[in-house]
Amino acid sequence: EPEVTQTPSHQVTQMGQEVILRCVPISNHLYFYWYRQILGQKVEFLVSFYNNEISEKSEIFDDQFSVERPDGSNFTLKIRSTKLEDSAMYFCASSADRAETQYFGPGTRLLVL
Amino acid sequence: GENVEQHPSTLSVQEGDSAVIKCTYSDSASNYFPWYKQELGKGPQLIIDIRSNVGEKKDQRIAVTLNKTAKHFSLHITETQPEDSAVYFCAASHEGFKTIFGAGTRLFVKA
Repeated sequence: EPEVTQTPSHQVTQMGQEVILRCVPISNHLYFYWYRQILGQKVEFLVSFYNNEISEKSEIFDDQFSVERPDGSNFTLKIRSTKLEDSAMYFCASSADRAETQYFGPGTRLLVL
Repeated sequence: GENVEQHPSTLSVQEGDSAVIKCTYSDSASNYFPWYKQELGKGPQLIIDIRSNVGEKKDQRIAVTLNKTAKHFSLHITETQPEDSAVYFCAASHEGFKTIFGAGTRLFVKA
């Protein structure tokens, strides 16, 4: 069964450093998403991406965040200058269409020290 | 802003009993309501969803009901099994835009 994959599974970084989280969505999907989940809290929407551009974003997704689909398979989330409060689990998801089921990856646990 | 409230935060049931988790949403434009199960160390996995043009949907031991007037939707799990133990999240969106998640319910099924 096709699945969303994410790398790395864990990332530890120093405050102020840039991180890139990588995702490989399901191959025939057209919509891609990033969510975050701070430990013990709810899953929060960050951004959705379609047709090589951001289709919507939340208030969390400020100028420090960016997304890219650098090739036909990868979908990345970049945090330019990490802050302590960026420590969270980051989930990538994809769907065949906007209102269709979103399939989540296993997540990347980011720890900012 | 839009919000989804979920109750209870923790639910403990005996194996074989039913479990009910309830959510309310604030955005009247919401028309898609998925439920996710999250096991330890994994991403959320869709277990059932419902759209605003139906009031109830069932898939084996799992059912979801939707009351659009009251902006309530609920998850019902019957004949619970230990492997149902997980965190369950409800969510709401309008046509898949900006999915808003509830805070989650940690379900314990005691054998």
